Amino acid sequence: DAGVIQSPRHEVTEMGQEVTLRCKPISGHDYLFWYRQTMMRGLELLIYFNNNVPIDDSGMPEDRFSAKMPNASFSTLKIQPSEPRDSAVYFCAIREKNTEAFFGQGTRLTVV
Amino acid sequence: QKEVEQNSGPLSVPEGAIASLNCTYSDRGSQSFFWYRQYSGKSPELIMSIYSNGDKEDGRFTAQLNKASQYVSLLIRDSQPSDSATYLCAARSNNNDMRFGAGTRLTVKP
Repeated sequence: DAGVIQSPRHEVTEMGQEVTLRCKPISGHDYLFWYRQTMMRGLELLIYFNNNVPIDDSGMPEDRFSAKMPNASFSTLKIQPSEPRDSAVYFCAIREKNTEAFFGQGTRLTVV
Repeated sequence: QKEVEQNSGPLSVPEGAIASLNCTYSDRGSQSFFWYRQYSGKSPELIMSIYSNGDKEDGRFTAQLNKASQYVSLLIRDSQPSDSATYLCAARSNNNDMRFGAGTRLTVKP
């Protein structure tokens, strides 16, 4: 976990509200990944960046989801408007080229 | 069809036994493979990586890769109750993305 800080750790919000999840890599990386984990679907890749550029966002479930990486030290995943089916644990992970991925602690999102 | 498939389990083995976890992948362009362990409420952590056909051993863990069969496995020898967790198989493609299986839940009974 030491290489990636995610915030908040827990988020409870009402349906229709905007939710912003944050990821701060604190060690070197070339790639940054956003995953969503649920019991039903497991760990799904939503989007990933290479050197701050989005490479593949085909895993983003709907237009309500968007992600940005304005610099190498910060990325956000935004859901607007949120829905109860978005409830899940969202992980940010980083990787240097030809190495494994290191995960943040995750954000547990509950939309009521 | 999911790109990385695992038997979701649960898999239950007695303490001291060998636990065998299996994974198949669909993308023949995948080059690197990983096994992660995830305890309940925690984030996935890397156990093993394997890049070439054959076996790779690290302590009680052995990863096996067969690219012709698109098959990856993880053996845990002398299983301990502390090994009880969900084990995730991952494949890295030529595009450098990393996709995971749904995970296999392992329980080691004392």
